[in-house]
Amino acid sequence: DTGVSQDPRHKITKRGQNVTFRCDPISEHNRLYWYRQTLGQGPEFLTYFQNEAQLEKSRLLSDRFSAERPKGSFSTLEIQRTEQGDSAMYLCASSPRGVAGLYEQYFGPGTRLTVT
Amino acid sequence: AQKVTQAQTEISVVEKEDVTLDCVYETRDTTYYLFWYKQPPSGELVFLIRRNSFDEQNEISGRYSWNFQKSTSSFNFTITASQVVDSAVYFCALSPQTSYDKVIFGPGTSLSVIP
Repeated sequence: DTGVSQDPRHKITKRGQNVTFRCDPISEHNRLYWYRQTLGQGPEFLTYFQNEAQLEKSRLLSDRFSAERPKGSFSTLEIQRTEQGDSAMYLCASSPRGVAGLYEQYFGPGTRLTVT
Repeated sequence: AQKVTQAQTEISVVEKEDVTLDCVYETRDTTYYLFWYKQPPSGELVFLIRRNSFDEQNEISGRYSWNFQKSTSSFNFTITASQVVDSAVYFCALSPQTSYDKVIFGPGTSLSVIP
């Protein structure tokens, strides 16, 4: 399978704990995106990377959230001091090199986070 | 403001009926891209179509067709002869020139095709 993969698929944590999610994009894709999707809503943009550089962050990404893509390959999204409002599906997507917007994004299966 | 509206929250149709999913977008950019994605019950979003703002030609792909009208800022999606496998949530999305990578998704339309 050469699609976008995410790990774990499900995570249950207690309020106040830290969690980290991993995303492995399609290997030749230089752009990587993180989204959050709550029930009944469309994905909301969180941040994106071009290679290892984080180029844009949404206002949704509070200081408890941090994302990295250290070698321009896989990426991690960490949430510190989780809150119940963080419960959502966290989606990762990647797209290939080229003129921005020219290519569609390929999505992974997501990590469903439940904060109790 | 950049925004995508999908006014139909849920639609139910009987198998073999045609169904149209509406999408209205807002942007001040003259150059932008529009997308449709499908999210089946398994959860993974699947790309269906990309359209740039300079190409208003309608497109047909099998049972799927798309009608892009800049005059009304709409990008509607029609499924002909619907099938049970079409049951999913469908998202319309906008990628504006000012920030191509910051894709704006609509709230989605949940389509149920009843056998």
